Amino acid sequence: DAGVTQSPTHLIKTRGQQVTLRCSPKSGHDTVSWYQQALGQGPQFIFQYYEEEERQRGNFPDRFSGHQFPNYSSELNVNALLLGDSALYLCASSFRGAVSYEQYFGPGTRLTVT
Amino acid sequence: GNSVTQMEGPVTLSEEAFLTINCTYTATGYPSLFWYVQYPGEGLQLLLKATKADDKGSNKGFEATYRKETTSFHLEKGSVQVSDSAVYFCALMREYGNKLVFGAGTILRVKS
Repeated sequence: DAGVTQSPTHLIKTRGQQVTLRCSPKSGHDTVSWYQQALGQGPQFIFQYYEEEERQRGNFPDRFSGHQFPNYSSELNVNALLLGDSALYLCASSFRGAVSYEQYFGPGTRLTVT
Repeated sequence: GNSVTQMEGPVTLSEEAFLTINCTYTATGYPSLFWYVQYPGEGLQLLLKATKADDKGSNKGFEATYRKETTSFHLEKGSVQVSDSAVYFCALMREYGNKLVFGAGTILRVKS
């Protein structure tokens, strides 16, 4: 049973560029959440997708956008990259119909903006 | 708003020592509480959880009890191993399916 997978593992971009990160949820999961983890900090919630719609959003600018596909996989897009966007981006999946409250995390994508 | 405060690290212990990592929270209602662990270069793994007051979560020798009266969820382990060296995050979730709110994390280093 494959867990949550993310690609790419590492990415280096230049200020002003755009980036797309990808996430495949754990088998049977239908909800994807994205988090940003700056170095030495706890993860911060970016947004959550369910049924191909953004359901919740954290305190992040519109430069951060996402998408969920019919197979439940998801993309995170960041436009006009800033140096401060350098972080580990974590995807977490869950199943809305489950009694458990658990979110399962992927290994993350390390984004470096130079 | 909702927030989680953890004790600052790093916490450095010798193998077989007793571990406590303090966590307190601020939230309205009755949040669920979690401890996640992050090993070097990896994502987050759920360590244990508690969904209501007085619940005790436990896993791999780690325990934490949901104390509503003190708004706390302290992580404990009776005898740590070198392999427990990692960053530990306390987190809360207000309602099912909602976002997780994390503390800043506590680095644990265990020496042999």
